[in-house]
Amino acid sequence: KAGVTQTPRYLIKTRGQQVTLSCSPISGHRSVSWYQQTPGQGLQFLFEYFSETQRNKGNFPGRFSGRQFSNSRSEMNVSTLELGDSALYLCASSLWTGNTEAFFGQGTRLTVV
Amino acid sequence: ELKVEQNPLFLSMQEGKNYTIYCNYSTTSDRLYWYRQDPGKSLESLFVLLSNGAVKQEGRLMASLDTKARLSTLHITAAVHDLSATYFCAVDRRNTGNQFYFGTGTSLTVIP
Repeated sequence: KAGVTQTPRYLIKTRGQQVTLSCSPISGHRSVSWYQQTPGQGLQFLFEYFSETQRNKGNFPGRFSGRQFSNSRSEMNVSTLELGDSALYLCASSLWTGNTEAFFGQGTRLTVV
Repeated sequence: ELKVEQNPLFLSMQEGKNYTIYCNYSTTSDRLYWYRQDPGKSLESLFVLLSNGAVKQEGRLMASLDTKARLSTLHITAAVHDLSATYFCAVDRRNTGNQFYFGTGTSLTVIP
């Protein structure tokens, strides 16, 4: 059974640019959540998508957005990149929404220069 | 806002020794999760604790949950080098989807 796939694995962008990250959940899973991991702030919830709808959103500026497609694949977009956006972005796949176990992808390491 | 605290933040222990990592959280939560993360890698699910008094064991790791005390423990028995990693606990709340609140993490180093 394939796990959670995130692409790309590594990314280097310049301040002011925008970036799109992709996540393919485990087959049959309908919930995809995104987290940002930094040494200073730890693991922070960005948002969750379930059945193509944003279910929940963390405390991040509007520059961070996402979407989910009918096949449950999800993308997140960060516009007008700042140096502080450099982080490991992790995608979590769950069968359903609401108190269910989450399985994480390998992450995308974003570096903003 | 729900806060999750872990201690210790750093733990260096010798092989063969026992130790416990503590996870406290600030508001009511029914479920608690333990994850392991190796350097540069993703989070690996270790345990899902669903109710008060739940205890789960896998190899040298045992996790327990006391919802009344808002406390979970991860006990390491006879540590081996392969257990060196960062361990995170996380909780969620009812009716908030799959929004996990993570602890700060405990970086464990097992010394031969």
